[in-house]
Amino acid sequence: GQQLNQSPQSMFIQEGEDVSMNCTSSSIFNTWLWYKQDPGEGPVLLIALYKAGELTSNGRLTAQFGITRKDSFLNISASIPSDVGIYFCAGQMYNNNDMRFGAGTRLTVKP
Amino acid sequence: NAGVTQTPKFQVLKTGQSMTLQCAQDMNHEYMSWYRQDPGMGLRLIHYSVGAGITDQGEVPNGYNVSRSTTEDFPLRLLSAAPSQTSVYFCASSPTPGGGQETQYFGPGTRLLVL
Repeated sequence: GQQLNQSPQSMFIQEGEDVSMNCTSSSIFNTWLWYKQDPGEGPVLLIALYKAGELTSNGRLTAQFGITRKDSFLNISASIPSDVGIYFCAGQMYNNNDMRFGAGTRLTVKP
Repeated sequence: NAGVTQTPKFQVLKTGQSMTLQCAQDMNHEYMSWYRQDPGMGLRLIHYSVGAGITDQGEVPNGYNVSRSTTEDFPLRLLSAAPSQTSVYFCASSPTPGGGQETQYFGPGTRLLVL
């Protein structure tokens, strides 16, 4: 099946710093998604991307759908303690019910 | 709305035992799915359903059965539990079948330990 490679696996940053994480795949996806998961809870959708080259923001979060349709990145600006959690990328092919997830990036923000 | 609910929250099973993980949603969503989450592997799709009476396999279906007799409920059955099925299981639902999974709402998860 399709593999999503998400990096980095973990990040330890100071409050106020910017964060960047990315996902790459050997397969083309028609939709890229970014989720956040807090401890003991299910993932929550942050940003959805539908077109190659698309750049979308949600508050301090910005994500881009790579032009090759094989990658995506997520940036978090001016991090705050509540940004702590695990961030997952996910890709979905057109008209396909199968969504593939990356292994996650664990973010720790030090006050 | 309660959203997506899952029961139980925690379960310990012995190898060979069977059990059903319950999932319900009150948002009248057509699409429902089950994922398992293992350390360092993200979420993997087990089974999904695009509507009542319709189910299909995902990436890792072996050892699990599902049925969808109503729009609201989508139980996941482990017929003979194995230690490899120790995991956290998430149920999700979304308004649209097929494309449109991006609006999935996830339940809080069920933590399963198989001894």
